[in-house]
Amino acid sequence: EEQLVESGGGLVQPGGSLRLSCAASEFIFSHYWMSWVRQAPGKGLEWVAMIREDGSEKYYVDSVKGRFTISRDNAKNSLYLQMNSLRAEDTALYYCTRSASRAAYDFWGQGTLVTVSS
Amino acid sequence: DIVMTQSPLSLPVTPGEPASISCRSSQSLLHSNQYHFLSWYLQKPGQSPQLLIYLGSYRASGVPDRFSGSGSGTDFTLKISRVEAEDVGVYYCMQALQTPITFGQGTRLEIK
Repeated sequence: EEQLVESGGGLVQPGGSLRLSCAASEFIFSHYWMSWVRQAPGKGLEWVAMIREDGSEKYYVDSVKGRFTISRDNAKNSLYLQMNSLRAEDTALYYCTRSASRAAYDFWGQGTLVTVSS
Repeated sequence: DIVMTQSPLSLPVTPGEPASISCRSSQSLLHSNQYHFLSWYLQKPGQSPQLLIYLGSYRASGVPDRFSGSGSGTDFTLKISRVEAEDVGVYYCMQALQTPITFGQGTRLEIK
């Protein structure tokens, strides 16, 4: 059964850093665009970043540009999100998602919670 | 940025009755490949979102046929022919035509 398992979330102070990971299994990871989507407590979905199958293209929402970096290791079937200069407004459940054609997200992980607070 | 606007935001429905959710985009979602880059998701309580409809009208694998998507250009609709109790949750539309990818505000479907 296909799986996306996120990890690395936690409580961090404003200005701090975290690195999220997403481990993929039971599908050919290198065939998919991968993205991070977040959901603040009680709020809707917000797309954060996306990376091409081979890592050659990366896109970000404006609010995280220059602070977050998406990356992947196809040999390890893993997706990452390096988050620096964290702000209170980055507090959210972060989902790892995949898309075969950039058109839709057909599979989502369970999410990892990031809380930015002093 | 493409703005996605859903209506209604709250939708109480009697089981067995139909339901409809509208999603409008601030720009056409027609891709050069002639498909609309519009998808629908359901987030059931306490769960991750799940894909229902992609490319405007194609049902995802395992999605019951009571769900259907339609529309073109900037106006799209998700219809549920007969609502069941398990359909409770928040429905989101999403455009993937251009970055930043954007979602609608969400429509909360509840059972009367």
